[in-house]
Amino acid sequence: DTGVSQNPRHKITKRGQNVTFRCDPISEHNRLYWYRQTLGQGPEFLTYFQNEAQLEKSRLLSDRFSAERPKGSFSTLEIQRTEQGDSAMYLCASSLWAGEQYFGPGTRLTVT
Amino acid sequence: AQTVTQSQPEMSVQEAETVTLSCTYDTSESDYYLFWYKQPPSRQMILVIRQEAYKQQNATENRFSVNFQKAAKSFSLKISDSQLGDAAMYFCACLTGANSKLTFGKGITLSVRP
Repeated sequence: DTGVSQNPRHKITKRGQNVTFRCDPISEHNRLYWYRQTLGQGPEFLTYFQNEAQLEKSRLLSDRFSAERPKGSFSTLEIQRTEQGDSAMYLCASSLWAGEQYFGPGTRLTVT
Repeated sequence: AQTVTQSQPEMSVQEAETVTLSCTYDTSESDYYLFWYKQPPSRQMILVIRQEAYKQQNATENRFSVNFQKAAKSFSLKISDSQLGDAAMYFCACLTGANSKLTFGKGITLSVRP
């Protein structure tokens, strides 16, 4: 297994456009997490899935954000009507139950 | 809710020397885990070391060790025999609760002088 993968690695979009990111977790991991990291800060929790169920969402996750994990495998994070404040690194992590979280390389979003 | 504080934004160490990175945390949970993650420039975050709160013995992983002071809610990372490859941003993190979400500190940038 090659670890957690994320695509795309970089995304530049214009304000108001929609973007979607994908995360492929380690295959046997049933939990998947999304975090957001802005420059010079630590990652902040956004949401997490256990299998296909989304069990918690942070207040940081506005109505413009939606995440899915169909069939409990890969996950997508969509941001609608992007704003400049959405510019950040979006990190995905996976774990087996409450075990160690393994992070992907992240998707860097730049909203112009 | 839990908080993690890393008050030192930057530190520098001479190659082959020892450096200690500080971290304090606060949580009302009795069952929690503490971690140090390393994030090299433009590279993904990797786990350096973990500590279970119920264990009194400090965790050690090769050149990395922690000083876990539960009563003081302190969790520092000691890097021995520092190497150039240790240069990175280091994050302290706390994991609590059934949802197992990580709460991170702001991180510290470690530079290693040759």
